[in-house]
Amino acid sequence: SQKIEQNSEALNIQEGKTATLTCNYTNYSPAYLQWYRQDPGRGPVFLLLIRENEKEKRKERLKVTFDTTLKQSLFHITASQPADSATYLCALRFQKLVFGTGTRLLVSP
Amino acid sequence: DGGITQSPKYLFRKEGQNVTLSCEQNLNHDAMYWYRQDPGQGLRLIYYSQIVNDFQKGDIAEGYSVSREKKESFPLTVTSAQKNPTAFYLCASSLTLAGVNEQFFGPGTRLTVL
Repeated sequence: SQKIEQNSEALNIQEGKTATLTCNYTNYSPAYLQWYRQDPGRGPVFLLLIRENEKEKRKERLKVTFDTTLKQSLFHITASQPADSATYLCALRFQKLVFGTGTRLLVSP
Repeated sequence: DGGITQSPKYLFRKEGQNVTLSCEQNLNHDAMYWYRQDPGQGLRLIYYSQIVNDFQKGDIAEGYSVSREKKESFPLTVTSAQKNPTAFYLCASSLTLAGVNEQFFGPGTRLTVL
């Protein structure tokens, strides 16, 4: 079965730096990959989608890359702010959407 | 305002009791989903529905039941057969089941079984 790995340890960075989160998967490459943000006690919110034939996608301070050879997606937040502190989930579309466990990001002032 | 509502936000039940979690959407989406989230685990799919009067089991359907009598509504019943029902439950919807569609999530219901 498909396995999705996101770093379970929290990522701590200083305000203004670039945060980079990793999503690795095994076996088959998905048709597309999505990133969501989840705040404590709330439902996830969709951020970005990248298709298997796309290398990179950008939206304001967010950038997602998708490397089907490495079976990896990287999610970058540039000029990070304390308000970016949250858990970020990747989700891969195979027969259905499968979510990773998420990585918690903490941005310190 | 378009969106998904779940109620209640917090729910407490005694062991052995069935409980129904509400999920309503006014986004005119065909597909709806129920997920369970436990600490340190990803979202696990319980049931999903691609159209009214149709639903399919997800990865962890045992001990749960759903209905989809209206497009807007997809209630989840947690039965006494569910061995460990205490969890955070999330309802979601998307335009369709297939294709490139983002999922919209409700605020969640935290169920605690005493």
